[in-house]
Amino acid sequence: AQSVTQLDSQVPVFEEAPVELRCNYSSSVSVYLFWYVQYPNQGLQLLLKYLSGSTLVKGINGFEAEFNKSQTSFHLRKPSVHISDTAEYFCAVSQGGSEKLVFGKGTKLTVNP
Amino acid sequence: GAVVSQHPSWVICKSGTSVKIECRSLDFQATTMFWYRQFPKQSLMLMATSNEGSKATYEQGVEKDKFLINHASLTLSTLTVTSAHPEDSSFYICSASFPGINEKLFFGSGTQLSVL
Repeated sequence: AQSVTQLDSQVPVFEEAPVELRCNYSSSVSVYLFWYVQYPNQGLQLLLKYLSGSTLVKGINGFEAEFNKSQTSFHLRKPSVHISDTAEYFCAVSQGGSEKLVFGKGTKLTVNP
Repeated sequence: GAVVSQHPSWVICKSGTSVKIECRSLDFQATTMFWYRQFPKQSLMLMATSNEGSKATYEQGVEKDKFLINHASLTLSTLTVTSAHPEDSSFYICSASFPGINEKLFFGSGTQLSVL
């Protein structure tokens, strides 16, 4: 069975600092990987996805993630965060071709001035 | 972009009553909708897959008689929590899918259910 581990439940950072949100997955078959963001009182919004091809994926709002098959990781990074990036971030995985997503527990990113 | 509307955003009810949550795709036809549940500090867990015009497919451990799903049209799926109990208190969120790959999966804003 697939599973997703987000190692940090909360990550506080200062504005303009770099950030990395960690995500590891387990699966015995090829997977698609996703990062979603949830701002307060809003639905989940897709940040970026990895389906195939280049392992470095660029998404919206300056975020990027790198798929590392050997380490089964898909960490999310941003070189300089803004206060508006404060939100909950979810890593998710689906078995290739399936629309069913398995989510991590989420990481709450708080950007302080 | 496409929008999925979920209503209500929060609801408080007495134990033993039923609660209905609606999920609407506002500007596209969604043949498939998904219902998730999230307990505090836990992952979103898929409860069921709702297909227009057919019975929902429930994940293992989810009681289909307790969580009634109706997907009567291409823009509306409803989740009814029947005879709710305090342990059903949770955050419920739906998503709607264009046919195809997951990038066309849109989420509602969720419903916080509190059962007293």
